[in-house]
Amino acid sequence: KQEVTQIPAALSVPEGENLVLNCSFTDSAIYNLQWFRQDPGKGLTSLLLIQSSQREQTSGRLNASLDKSSGRSTLYIAASQPGDSATYLCAVDDSNYQLIWGAGTKLIIKP
Amino acid sequence: DTEVTQTPKHLVMGMTNKKSLKCEQHMGHRAMYWYKQKAKKPPELMFVYSYEKLSINESVPSRFSPECPNSSLLNLHLHALQPEDSALYLCASSSRGLAGVDEQFFGPGTRLTVL
Repeated sequence: KQEVTQIPAALSVPEGENLVLNCSFTDSAIYNLQWFRQDPGKGLTSLLLIQSSQREQTSGRLNASLDKSSGRSTLYIAASQPGDSATYLCAVDDSNYQLIWGAGTKLIIKP
Repeated sequence: DTEVTQTPKHLVMGMTNKKSLKCEQHMGHRAMYWYKQKAKKPPELMFVYSYEKLSINESVPSRFSPECPNSSLLNLHLHALQPEDSALYLCASSSRGLAGVDEQFFGPGTRLTVL
């Protein structure tokens, strides 16, 4: 059974720092991995989707990588800003279009 | 346009009420989803409609009744809910394209409180 883990559960860094969020999964047979952002009490915003055949995807200051063999994905945020403060969730699609979710990393960027 | 809309934004209902949540997308997506999310937890899948047919029901109690009137609309009918059903209800849609490219887009959610 696929399990997705995100470490750390919470992270606080000063503004301007580059940072990495981690996501690991137990079964490498995945179709894709998606990173989301969620602000408190709001819906989820899709940030990046990496297909199983891809190694990374980039959007602005965000870069997501995927290493299926080791069961790991990272979300790199460059030059962090207070507006990046949110909970970041990763989710794996391993069959039948159902997402398996990590518990999320709550990120706080201190001005 | 990658927008999924949900109404209402907030809903307070008693345990004997009947209410409905609505979701709409105009991206031509053929799969639509209902999720339930409790505070500080990831979303839990409730239902999946694929090409307007219910394809997944994650053992959700019958007091929640989904409906997909057409490919753009998804409803969730609520009846005789319990206080523990209070949560953020999220709708999502995806293209149901080739495996590996099925990106899900979420609406802003309906915050439901059951008294």
